Amino acid sequence: EENLAETGGGFIQPGGSLSLSCAATDFIVSAHSMTWVRQAPGRGLEWVAILYDGGATYYADSVKGRFAISRDKSKNTLYLQMNDLRAEDTALYYCARVNVKLYGPLDLWGHGSLVTVSS
Amino acid sequence: DIVMTQTPLSLPVRPGESASISCRSSQSLFKRDDAHTYVDWYVQKPGQSPHLLIYTLSSRASGVPDRFSGSGSGATFTLKISRVQAEDVGTYYCMQHAEFPFTFGQGTRLEIK
Repeated sequence: EENLAETGGGFIQPGGSLSLSCAATDFIVSAHSMTWVRQAPGRGLEWVAILYDGGATYYADSVKGRFAISRDKSKNTLYLQMNDLRAEDTALYYCARVNVKLYGPLDLWGHGSLVTVSS
Repeated sequence: DIVMTQTPLSLPVRPGESASISCRSSQSLFKRDDAHTYVDWYVQKPGQSPHLLIYTLSSRASGVPDRFSGSGSGATFTLKISRVQAEDVGTYYCMQHAEFPFTFGQGTRLEIK
């Protein structure tokens, strides 16, 4: 069964760095476009970044220059490298698959990984 | 950025009744080159991750009951839930992916009366 599993979240001080991983099961990450979406505690959904199957990347303005989305074909895993973390980055981070054949909806979501940025 | 505005933010519904959620975008989400409207609907049930209900305005995702339907055009969209059931409790979001950054509505919390 197709599945996404995020890991790597935790507690980090402002200015610190953290890397999230999203391991895929039963489908090939590099053959799909993938995205990260976050949800601050008690808040709505916020799109963060996307990595297209062809390699292009786009970011929300709030994370541009600080976050980097990437993938490792050999590990079938998507990543989100987060640098210079701020309190406002505290959120549950979901990875999701973008179904480009259906014109781009997010058709598979992971369970999320919690990042807490606090001193 | 395209702003997505949902109404209402809270929606109490009795079982068996219908429910409608409105979503308006600050600009049209219709793309002439492929004649698709780039708005989706997602639901996040309590304690769960979001999952896809409706994509490109009105197409139901795999496994979604036909009680759920999407409609609208341009910049005005509606999610209708017929014969609401207790299992439909959750927060419903519209999302646009017509241009970057992708943006979500604030969410509409559906509760059972």
